Amino acid sequence: DQQVKQNSPSLSVQEGRISILNCDYTNSMFDYFLWYKKYPAEGPTFLISISSIKDKNEDGRFTVFLNKSAKHLSLHIVPSQPGDSAVYFCAVNFGNEKLTFGTGTRLTIIP
Amino acid sequence: GAGVSQSPRYKVAKRGQDVALRCDPISGHVSLFWYQQALGQGPEFLTYFQNEAQLDKSGLPSDRFFAERPEGSVSTLKIQRTQQEDSAVYLCASSLVPGTGNEKLFFGSGTQLSVL
Repeated sequence: DQQVKQNSPSLSVQEGRISILNCDYTNSMFDYFLWYKKYPAEGPTFLISISSIKDKNEDGRFTVFLNKSAKHLSLHIVPSQPGDSAVYFCAVNFGNEKLTFGTGTRLTIIP
Repeated sequence: GAGVSQSPRYKVAKRGQDVALRCDPISGHVSLFWYQQALGQGPEFLTYFQNEAQLDKSGLPSDRFFAERPEGSVSTLKIQRTQQEDSAVYLCASSLVPGTGNEKLFFGSGTQLSVL
């Protein structure tokens, strides 16, 4: 069974500090990992991705880390800004045609 | 706009009523996906089209759910004899290339379905 788990439903971080969102997944041979961000009443929007051949990908304030041995993915946002307040979904392509999403983490940035 | 468009934005249905949800993907996008997002959950896969071909419908919860994309562009998700457990946000997404692969999906804002 291919599963994606985000065990923290919510996270609050002071503005300017680092936000770390975590995601765990089940085993699969071919994986590609993505993070999506969702504001209320909008659809998810792509944020950053990483393939299983890498362990880090950076895009501005956003960095995704992949620990394949632990089957663990994390998203780091630094410095955190008020506009980062949203729900963040981890998604995994297990090698088929679709993405499997986690349940999401609601990030609140405190000014 | 150039994004994925879904209509209606909100739909209230009485239990037992049939509903039809529409998705206009980004022009030229080959792949089209439907996802169902229940309250407090992540999006869950329903079905996938590559152009007009429905290649995967393994996520459709019952035979009351039916999707089509007859000309390879606009898609309709139909739910017959709606039940309360069908209440959710239905998200449509498209991508330029076949399948998901390493290509990100572009999502619409969704249709929020409430079955009373």
